[in-house]
Amino acid sequence: GAVVSQHPSWVICKSGTSVKIECRSLDFQATTMFWYRQFPKQSLMLMATSNEGSKATYEQGVEKDKFLINHASLTLSTLTVTSAHPEDSSFYICSAPSQGIYGYTFGSGTRLTVV
Amino acid sequence: DQQVKQNSPSLSVQEGRISILNCDYTNSMFDYFLWYKKYPAEGPTFLISISSIKDKNEDGRFTVFLNKSAKHLSLHIVPSQPGDSAVYFCAASGRNRDDKIIFGKGTRLHILP
Repeated sequence: GAVVSQHPSWVICKSGTSVKIECRSLDFQATTMFWYRQFPKQSLMLMATSNEGSKATYEQGVEKDKFLINHASLTLSTLTVTSAHPEDSSFYICSAPSQGIYGYTFGSGTRLTVV
Repeated sequence: DQQVKQNSPSLSVQEGRISILNCDYTNSMFDYFLWYKKYPAEGPTFLISISSIKDKNEDGRFTVFLNKSAKHLSLHIVPSQPGDSAVYFCAASGRNRDDKIIFGKGTRLHILP
């Protein structure tokens, strides 16, 4: 079945540094990738939608200069958390439409801890 | 404004009994509804879905019921098993392939031995 490979699965970084998270669709083409963030005991919150070959669409309240999204090819989308701060610590998950019109495949998630 | 609501943050059910997880939504434009299961530190796993043209969809131990007039759906798991202990997210989207998914806050299901 469709697989989205997400790396790294966990990362610890210092405040002020940048972290890049990659999501690759392994056996299908992902023209669209959704990026979610989850805080403890809260829902998965959609941050932005990336589209191959065009600018990402950010949800209200999400800083586009802080969360840089690039969708360079039909199989790769990246999220870069720039100048990370402790409040950016969270679980980030990507998802792409797959398996026909009604399917979505999720990456395994990235646990980011900023110290 | 929360468009997809799961009002029970947790639920405990005896092994072998039926687990019923509820979900309400506010946006009448939603056309497709999904349930995901999530273990800690993992991505959500798709469980079952239902289109707005149906009121019931069954897959093994999992059945989803949709009441459009009440904007309510529920996930039934029967019989409940220990491996079902996880967080369950209700989600909704429009009819197009690239429509974004809106998630509820999740319900943590505990299956008691």
